[in-house]
Amino acid sequence: KAGVTQTPRYLIKTRGQQVTLSCSPISGHRSVSWYQQTPGQGLQFLFEYFSETQRNKGNFPGRFSGRQFSNSRSEMNVSTLELGDSALYLCASRGSVGNTEAFFGQGTRLTVV
Amino acid sequence: DQQVKQNSPSLSVQEGRISILNCDYTNSMFDYFLWYKKYPAEGPTFLISISSIKDKNEDGRFTVFLNKSAKHLSLHIVPSQPGDSAVYFCAASARTGGSYIPTFGRGTSLIVHP
Repeated sequence: KAGVTQTPRYLIKTRGQQVTLSCSPISGHRSVSWYQQTPGQGLQFLFEYFSETQRNKGNFPGRFSGRQFSNSRSEMNVSTLELGDSALYLCASRGSVGNTEAFFGQGTRLTVV
Repeated sequence: DQQVKQNSPSLSVQEGRISILNCDYTNSMFDYFLWYKKYPAEGPTFLISISSIKDKNEDGRFTVFLNKSAKHLSLHIVPSQPGDSAVYFCAASARTGGSYIPTFGRGTSLIVHP
């Protein structure tokens, strides 16, 4: 069974640009969550999608958005990039929102210059 | 305000000895707790979990202890092995809108010396 796949693995963008990250969950999993990891900050929750609907949202500005498609694949978009957006973005999938264990992808390392 | 705290950023242990990683939480609504392990350039992988109705859960060399009154949990690794060297994240979750969203600590970097 394939794991969670995130693309691209690495990305370099210029301040002010926008970026789209992609996540394919484990086959059969319908819940996808996104996290931002920065040095010393742990994993901070961005949002969760289930059945193409955003179920929960963390404390991030509106520049961070996401969506989920009918095949459960999810995309995350960050507009008007700032230097502070440089981070590892992790996607996690769960079978359903009630499941307690999340399976993470390898992440996308975003560098904003 | 951090709801899940891992106050030790790093821990160094000799191979064969016990590693004890600690985690404190403030939200009394948390009822499920997890530990994840992360190697560089990889995503976190689930290690072990515990429900608030238990005070101990064991899986091989890994044991998690939960002290609800102190809002404290710990992960014991016995015996520690060099391959255990990684960053360990504590996570706590409560059912929010029908969903368990884990809140993570900042992690503890464990180094096991041969």
